[in-house]
Amino acid sequence: KAGVTQTPRYLIKTRGQQVTLSCSPISGHRSVSWYQQTPGQGLQFLFEYFSETQRNKGNFPGRFSGRQFSNSRSEMNVSTLELGDSALYLCASSPTEGGSPLHFGNGTRLTVT
Amino acid sequence: AQSVTQPDIHITVSEGASLELRCNYSYGATPYLFWYVQSPGQGLQLLLKYFSGDTLVQGIKGFEAEFKRSQSSFNLRKPSVHWSDAAEYFCAVGSPSGNTPLVFGKGTRLSVIA
Repeated sequence: KAGVTQTPRYLIKTRGQQVTLSCSPISGHRSVSWYQQTPGQGLQFLFEYFSETQRNKGNFPGRFSGRQFSNSRSEMNVSTLELGDSALYLCASSPTEGGSPLHFGNGTRLTVT
Repeated sequence: AQSVTQPDIHITVSEGASLELRCNYSYGATPYLFWYVQSPGQGLQLLLKYFSGDTLVQGIKGFEAEFKRSQSSFNLRKPSVHWSDAAEYFCAVGSPSGNTPLVFGKGTRLSVIA
């Protein structure tokens, strides 16, 4: 069974631009969560989607948004990029709403210049 | 609110030596507990999990962890470390109800020397 797939693996953007990251969960998994990982803050929860509905949201500004499609694939969008948005963005899936454990993808490394 | 503390930022052990990584959590009831490992440039791989029952849980790659409710701890152990174990290790706490997201510790970086 294929794991969680995140695309692209690397992104370089300029301040003020926007970016969209994509995540395909493990087949049959309906819950997708997103985390931001930085050296200073560690792993911080962004949001979780289940059945196309956001069910939990972390403490991030409104520039960070996401959505989930009917096939459980998810995208997250960051608008008006700031230097501090440079991070590894990790997507994780689980079979059920709020389910454990989470299965992680390899992440998208975003660099904002 | 739930939280996780990993007191050791960086640990260096010799190959073949035993290993114990510490994890303390804060949670109002009995939580779900996890250990993940992350190699450079990779995502997080699940090593083991505790949901209920036997407090000593076995995981992949020869790792084990023990849940101690009285100490709010879930320490990770391995009897003999291999050079390939060098990575970052994360402890995480989750709610059995699933209504709050998984919370991670800041991680412990493990270096293995010959």
